[in-house]
Amino acid sequence: EDQVTQSPEALRLQEGESSSLNCSYTVSGLRGLFWYRQDPGKGPEFLFTLYSAGEEKEKERLKATLTKKESFLHITAPKPEDSATYLCAVDGNNRLAFGKGNQVVVIP
Amino acid sequence: DAGVIQSPRHEVTEMGQEVTLRCKPISGHDYLFWYRQTMMRGLELLIYFNNNVPIDDSGMPEDRFSAKMPNASFSTLKIQPSEPRDSAVYFCASSTSGTGQTQYFGPGTRLLVL
Repeated sequence: EDQVTQSPEALRLQEGESSSLNCSYTVSGLRGLFWYRQDPGKGPEFLFTLYSAGEEKEKERLKATLTKKESFLHITAPKPEDSATYLCAVDGNNRLAFGKGNQVVVIP
Repeated sequence: DAGVIQSPRHEVTEMGQEVTLRCKPISGHDYLFWYRQTMMRGLELLIYFNNNVPIDDSGMPEDRFSAKMPNASFSTLKIQPSEPRDSAVYFCASSTSGTGQTQYFGPGTRLLVL
C-alpha cells in the first residue's frame, strides 16, 4: 500500500522567513508526485507534478523538488497569502494516496 | 469554465437518513473521483469513474455507500442509512487522463450526521 508522510504537521513562519516542507513516500512504482494547496473551506488546488528524481518545478515563491524517497516544497520569503495547508500525493497504483498535509501560517 | 460543481455545500442530517451528494465535472474530463476528508484520516479516495464506468471502488467504506455516474456531466454519492461517523467533507474531482494527471477539485460538501 502506498504511504505518504508529511512533516512538520504545522509550521508558523514570520513573513520573509524561508522554510521547507517534507513529503516522504513509499510506493511500488512512482507514476507521479503531486503538490496541492488547500485553503480553509475550499477544495485542494493543484500546484505541481513531479515525475522523476532530480526534477524541480517553481511557481512564484514555491519550489518543489523530488528524490527517490521524498519531496520538498521550499517556500522562499513567504507572505501572509501563502498561509494554507499543503498536501502531497503520490500516484503509484492508479490511485492518488495523500498525506495529511503541512499547515503553514505566515505571520505579518 | 465553471470548474467542478458540487451540491449541496453543507448538509446536516440525522442518523439513519439517506444523503445524496451531487457533482458536475469539468466538461470534457473523462475521469471523475470521489474523496472523503477527515482530520483523522486525511483525504481518502472512495471511488473513481472513467467514461461513466466505475473503475476502482475499493475505497468505499461499506455497502451503505454507493456512487453512480449516469452521464458524462453528473455523478452522485449516496449514503443510506447515514451514521455519525460519516461526518466529513466530501470532494469530487475530475481530470482528463486518469490518476497520473492533474485532478481538479470541487469546493466540497460538508456533511454532519447527528
